[in-house]
Amino acid sequence: QSVLTQPPSVSGAPGQRVTISCTGSSSNFGAGYDVHWYQQLPGTPPKLLIYGNSNRPSGVPDRFSGSKSGTSASLAITGLQAEDEADYYCQSYDSSLSGSVFGGGTKLTVL
Amino acid sequence: EVQVVESGGGLVQPGRSLRLSCTASGFTFGDFAMHWFRQAPGKGLEWVGFIRSRAYGGAPEYAASVRGRFTISREDSISIAYLQMNSLKAADTAVYYCSRERGNWGNWYFDLWGRGTLVTVSS
Repeated sequence: QSVLTQPPSVSGAPGQRVTISCTGSSSNFGAGYDVHWYQQLPGTPPKLLIYGNSNRPSGVPDRFSGSKSGTSASLAITGLQAEDEADYYCQSYDSSLSGSVFGGGTKLTVL
Repeated sequence: EVQVVESGGGLVQPGRSLRLSCTASGFTFGDFAMHWFRQAPGKGLEWVGFIRSRAYGGAPEYAASVRGRFTISREDSISIAYLQMNSLKAADTAVYYCSRERGNWGNWYFDLWGRGTLVTVSS
């Protein structure tokens, strides 16, 4: 299983707010390492969505926001749109593994 | 255009070798550490390893799952990073991506992804 734990799926109706959790441990989030989020639309490569816990790259709508506290992190999406239907991955660094680690991914379904 | 393009994938028998290339353009390749990732069919993302920039010694590091079988190298003069994969197993079947590293040590993130190249290990 993945070092970072995400729910396999979440869903919401258009216009609603959804959150995706990402749970780590003392060797990643708890050690102070940042969380980053990626969106992967079907058949496409991952796209950086949030970096450094809560920063959005240029071009990412402010409907997407991120936060981290202790050994947990979350991605929030407000004003849900059909185009948001995708897989979402959290990522960090793990000091015990000496490398980058990902969550197992969360499939967002827009109802 | 700023981009990376992976190539070299294909069908290979178990136990054989394959070399993937990651060709960069639109940025100063030598200034960046380069990472490799993979995604097995229908599965999540897995970090494979990376190679530091020359300014930081140019040494590679690997995930435990590939250490001793995979080797990452780079040729800054032609803006290419390589992933040499030996002793391939069925479990190595995946789309392989490369990306440049942003952020600082331990707070890496990856802002530039190619479309990936599919490696299928099967007899």
